[in-house]
Amino acid sequence: NAGVMQNPRHLVRRRGQEARLRCSPMKGHSHVYWYRQLPEEGLKFMVYLQKENIIDESGMPKERFSAEFPKEGPSILRIQQVVRGDSAAYFCASCSRASDTEAFFGQGTRLTVV
Amino acid sequence: DAKTTQPNSMESNEEEPVHLPCNHSTISGTDYIHWYRQLPSQGPEYVIHGLTSNVNNRMASLAIAEDRKSSTLILHRATLRDAAVYYCILSGGSNYKLTFGKGTLLTVNP
Repeated sequence: NAGVMQNPRHLVRRRGQEARLRCSPMKGHSHVYWYRQLPEEGLKFMVYLQKENIIDESGMPKERFSAEFPKEGPSILRIQQVVRGDSAAYFCASCSRASDTEAFFGQGTRLTVV
Repeated sequence: DAKTTQPNSMESNEEEPVHLPCNHSTISGTDYIHWYRQLPSQGPEYVIHGLTSNVNNRMASLAIAEDRKSSTLILHRATLRDAAVYYCILSGGSNYKLTFGKGTLLTVNP
């Protein structure tokens, strides 16, 4: 049973381009979380999704950021028109159900905006 | 979100036990106590979680105070690979997301 897979591991984008980050949860997991970690800072919650539903996006910036978790395929975090301040590590986590089980994290995607 | 308080940093020697404290005085009856750790340049890793009773697994033990307002993560024999930031997090009921604080940076000396 493969762990949570995130790709790419490293992504370089020029200002104004789009960044698409993918997360394949563990087999059988229907809950996905995205977190952002700025350099030298803690992990900040961005969004919580279940299959085809956004449950909580209270941590998502209001503009340029979107997330989806379709019925088939990986969860996608999309950042449009990237700016230098978007440079960070983005982590995805999955679990089988919320709150009382362990979450499994991927190794993250390190986005660098130049 | 229910808040936790942890020391910013702690230091230990290799092969010795480590007790990492966490205060959570506003914990609710449905909150689970979770511990995660993050090694340098890696994603967070689950360590242990519990509700009321003490818990043991292959990585660590979790001691929960009787009033549940504090808990202690115990690493029985620290190794250099245990050097990481350790996060104590409350999650449960309607609070389904893991909210990370600053955690405790554990340094293990050889």
